[in-house]
Amino acid sequence: DAGVIQSPRHEVTEMGQEVTLRCKPISGHNSLFWYRQTMMRGLELLIYFNNNVPIDDSGMPEDRFSAKMPNASFSTLKIQPSEPRDSAVYFCASRQGEIGKLFFGSGTQLSVL
Amino acid sequence: KNEVEQSPQNLTAQEGEFITINCSYSVGISALHWLQQHPGGGIVSLFMLSSGKKKHGRLIATINIQEKHSSLHITASHPRDSAVYICAVNPGGGADGLTFGKGTHLIIQP
Repeated sequence: DAGVIQSPRHEVTEMGQEVTLRCKPISGHNSLFWYRQTMMRGLELLIYFNNNVPIDDSGMPEDRFSAKMPNASFSTLKIQPSEPRDSAVYFCASRQGEIGKLFFGSGTQLSVL
Repeated sequence: KNEVEQSPQNLTAQEGEFITINCSYSVGISALHWLQQHPGGGIVSLFMLSSGKKKHGRLIATINIQEKHSSLHITASHPRDSAVYICAVNPGGGADGLTFGKGTHLIIQP
C-alpha cells in the first residue's frame, strides 16, 4: 500500500485565495483525521471522519475552514479565504477501527503570503 | 495547561547513551501513542499502548495508567534516532482524535 497520500506537498498562495488540500487514506481504513502543525501550538486536531461522516469538527478554527469526505478514498480540506495565520503544515492521517495506530501522510506545507 | 506534558523539551546526548523521554497526562485515556517526526516532517507511529510495556527493536514504551504517565526509552542510541518524539493520547470514549504533547527534540551526536 502506498500509505496515506496528500497533495500538494507545498502550497504558496496569497491572502484571500481559496486553498484546497487533498488526502487519500489507506484503503480499508474507516477513520480519517486532519491535523495542523505550527511551531507555536504543535499538532492540533481539526476534524475527523468515521465511515465518511464528520464526527468532531470542534477543532476547525472558523467558518473559513471546511472539510468533506465524499467517499471512503478521498477527503478535502478547504480554506476560503486564506489568511497568513493559516500558514502551517497540514497532516492527514487514517486508521482502521476506532482505536488503532495512526498512519500519517507526508503533510502539506501551506504558506499564505 | 496542556493536557499532555512531555519532558524534556530538548535533549542532546552522545551516541550509545540510554535515552528516556517522559509523558504525563491529566485526563482519562483509552490509549497513548508515541510518534516520531524526522526533519523533513514525516510522522511515524511508533507505539500505541493502553497498559504495560511494548518493545520494538531498541525502542521500549511503558505506561502506568494509575499514575497517568508513560515513558519512551531508546537503548544504544544512534544519530539516526535524532528526531522529535511526540506523545499523544486518545481521551476515553471511543472513536476520537488525539491530544498531543509539544514534543521532545532529541539530538544524538556521534
